[in-house]
Amino acid sequence: GIQVEQSPPDLILQEGANSTLRCNFSDSVNNLQWFHQNPWGQLINLFYIPSGTKQNGRLSATTVATERYSLLYISSSQTTDSGVYFCAAYTGGFKTIFGAGTRLFVKA
Amino acid sequence: EPEVTQTPSHQVTQMGQEVILRCVPISNHLYFYWYRQILGQKVEFLVSFYNNEISEKSEIFDDQFSVERPDGSNFTLKIRSTKLEDSAMYFCASRGGDSPLHFGNGTRLTVT
Repeated sequence: GIQVEQSPPDLILQEGANSTLRCNFSDSVNNLQWFHQNPWGQLINLFYIPSGTKQNGRLSATTVATERYSLLYISSSQTTDSGVYFCAAYTGGFKTIFGAGTRLFVKA
Repeated sequence: EPEVTQTPSHQVTQMGQEVILRCVPISNHLYFYWYRQILGQKVEFLVSFYNNEISEKSEIFDDQFSVERPDGSNFTLKIRSTKLEDSAMYFCASRGGDSPLHFGNGTRLTVT
């Protein structure tokens, strides 16, 4: 089945810094979704992005489906950005495969 | 904004007991899912449900698990005889057609 790999696994930033999180997938996908899991465990939808670039405030995402990767950019990071960032790949069926996540800690 | 709601938020049960986790998906959604997340690990797909039947399930979803949509609003996950390794956060999710997954806040299941 499809493999979804995320990097880096852990990231520590100083508040105000920028970062790029990467998601690679081993096969073609119908769609790609980014989530933020906050310290309370909630999974918050960030982007639903099969290809191209989307922006939402300080966050943006780019998916290059032909090269099987997606990037999540966080600019001017804040302490509230801390948590785990997951990407999830939509396969041809009903299953969505999650990567192992990037654990982000933003220091004040 | 419509939400997926899950109850209870926490459930503690003894090994061998049956548990039912409940979910109310977003009302106009068509596809329903259960995922689980063992503490500190990735989110794992369990099962998807569409048109009143299971559409896909993972190898985790064995005979101890079942899902039901008993009425037009609820979607339940039953674990027949819980094991210690079933301790995890269980997430319900739903989506419309070609639209993103929306997750509930999860039920933390602890099996003692």
